[in-house]
Amino acid sequence: DIVLTQSPLSLPVTLGQPASISCRSSQSILYSDGNTYLNWFHQRPGQSPRRLIYKVSERDSGVPDRFSGSGSGTDFTLKISRVEAEDVGVYYCMQGTHWLYTFGQGTKLEIK
Amino acid sequence: QITLKESGPTLVKPTQTLTLTCTFSGLSLSTTEVGVGWIRQPPGKALEWLALIYWDEDRRYSPSLKSRLTITTDTSKKQAVLTMTNMDPVDTATYYCVHAREAAGTISHWGQGNLVTVSS
Repeated sequence: DIVLTQSPLSLPVTLGQPASISCRSSQSILYSDGNTYLNWFHQRPGQSPRRLIYKVSERDSGVPDRFSGSGSGTDFTLKISRVEAEDVGVYYCMQGTHWLYTFGQGTKLEIK
Repeated sequence: QITLKESGPTLVKPTQTLTLTCTFSGLSLSTTEVGVGWIRQPPGKALEWLALIYWDEDRRYSPSLKSRLTITTDTSKKQAVLTMTNMDPVDTATYYCVHAREAAGTISHWGQGNLVTVSS
């Protein structure tokens, strides 16, 4: 199985400040079709996860443009340009390239 | 609009078999590229893929749980059923049903989740 390692696991951020989460894969998740199926999800307490980013950098409809995804091969990053109160919760990366699809351990973002 | 909803028990005893049903609208497992899967999340822990079934009845299972899992669809193709045998307290988790379109490598929609507690 592909292991996704997120860092940090805990991320205290001041409102209005940027935040960055890393997701590293144990092997390349570049698929033979040329796509890299790396996703980012956000889960608020007591809620189901919600997708923010797919295929590394494609932002979902309705997701604020302060969220951006980047990376290639085995190293990926989710960035929030200016953290807002509604951004608290846990962020997960997920690879959908090789079955068994796998998630990272999650990064808990909280407001300082 | 696509919606998915899980139904099933909230409490099962150790060694029992869990059966969860996902009822969805806005999509059908008779439509090309549609996939429906199950993911679980133990309290306070990360997400874990369990199984996935596609429109052409291609099935995928978590290798570590494969011997205990079965995913099926009903004749209407509007439900996906997950069975997990020999339940153990470590299987206590919220079980989510998701829509994962074939060859898209992503999850576009999630159900609300069904918390299952395994306890005698």
